Amino acid sequence: DIVMTQSPDSLAVSLGERATINCKSSQSVLYSSNNKNYLGWYQQKPGQPPKLVIYWASTREAGVPDRFSGSGSGTDFTLTISSLQAEDVAVYYCQQYYTTPITFGQGTRLEIK
Amino acid sequence: QITLKESGPTLVKPTQTLTLTCTFSGFSLTSSGVAVAWIRQPPGKALEWLALIFWDDDVRYSPSLQSRLAITKDTSKNQVVLTMTNMDPVDTGTYYCAHSGGAVTCSGRSCYGQLSFSDYWGQGTLVTVSS
Repeated sequence: DIVMTQSPDSLAVSLGERATINCKSSQSVLYSSNNKNYLGWYQQKPGQPPKLVIYWASTREAGVPDRFSGSGSGTDFTLTISSLQAEDVAVYYCQQYYTTPITFGQGTRLEIK
Repeated sequence: QITLKESGPTLVKPTQTLTLTCTFSGFSLTSSGVAVAWIRQPPGKALEWLALIFWDDDVRYSPSLQSRLAITKDTSKNQVVLTMTNMDPVDTGTYYCAHSGGAVTCSGRSCYGQLSFSDYWGQGTLVTVSS
């Protein structure tokens, strides 16, 4: 199985400041034939299902504010929120869909400082 | 507009078999590349992928649970069914179904769906395993 490890486990950031969440996979999720990283990011608020934020490591899902961005390739990835808003408080998960079993990171809890 | 909704028992006893149904609309599970997955989440814990079924009946399972899982589809009813045998209290959690629509790779006459991200999720159904 590909193990996804996120850091930190929790993060407190002031409103308007930058939030950065890291995700590391135990093996590369870059598919060489199409040069795509099979990596997604999800946002989950209390009592709600996960919501897709970023796919292919850096493509923002429709309707997601442009303060959210994804970067990285191979085994190391980052989700950045450029200017934290109150509605961004949530748990964020990375996911690899390169191979089965599809696996998720343990989650990063993002709070307001 | 794509929607998915999970249904099934809220309480099962240990050793019983759980049967969950995902009823969806807004897409067809006969379209190339389309898949529906089941993912679960114990209370306060992380997401765990369980199983997936493609439009062409290709199925994939979590190796750690494969012996207990079965996923099937009924395209006439727009439903995907997950069964999990020998339920245990550690299986308590919220169970989600989710849609993905990936690319299709063909080699000669054989085509298969590629794994993809889950872009639409149901609201989830909480299953408690307790005697």
